Amino acid sequence: EAQVTQNPRYLITVTGKKLTVTCSQNMNHEYMSWYRQDPGLGLRQIYYSMNVEVTDKGDVPEGYKVSRKEKRNFPLILESPSPNQTSLYFCASSFLSGIADTQYFGPGTRLTVL
Amino acid sequence: QKEVEQNSGPLSVPEGAIASLNCTYSDRGSQSFFWYRQYSGKSPELIMFIYSNGDKEDGRFTAQLNKASQYVSLLIRDSQPSDSATYLCAVNSGNQFYFGTGTSLTVIP
Repeated sequence: EAQVTQNPRYLITVTGKKLTVTCSQNMNHEYMSWYRQDPGLGLRQIYYSMNVEVTDKGDVPEGYKVSRKEKRNFPLILESPSPNQTSLYFCASSFLSGIADTQYFGPGTRLTVL
Repeated sequence: QKEVEQNSGPLSVPEGAIASLNCTYSDRGSQSFFWYRQYSGKSPELIMFIYSNGDKEDGRFTAQLNKASQYVSLLIRDSQPSDSATYLCAVNSGNQFYFGTGTSLTVIP
């Protein structure tokens, strides 16, 4: 089954404790992206990757890191989480970022930082 | 800052009616436009995309794009209670995607 998977689905942590949210896709997609979704603010792009070893900042990259060592994986790293990073996070992938390339979203990770 | 604006609603329509959802965007260089549906607590799922001016129909859904007015809309015909969800407008500009905050739609049986 073609899908984007994320782990963990739920995470409660404390300020400053490094964490990684994994994302994996089995569709051989070139483009992968991370979003956060907050009430009243909608989905905002954190980072995206056009291909292996190519990553770029989205609109809200502060406090986040990503890596793309393999085509299928795109982990999101919070080196020192803070309460304002409490949010619902989605990973997404598509063949490219072109004119008709639709994104497929993972199930989401609900993160709470105390 | 590239912006995508949607009326947050809530929008309520009776079953069988036409629901009309609207979206405006600020970047004239935007290339393609997407409508996603998101049920509470779930991930967005694509309804349809459009990139040329005019109408595009897919079953009960019609997307309309007017690049001169920087306006894109989604019409849902014969609305069903299962269409009750939040509808997200998204715009592709360069290599990035920008989303509106969504319009909440309730279809009343």
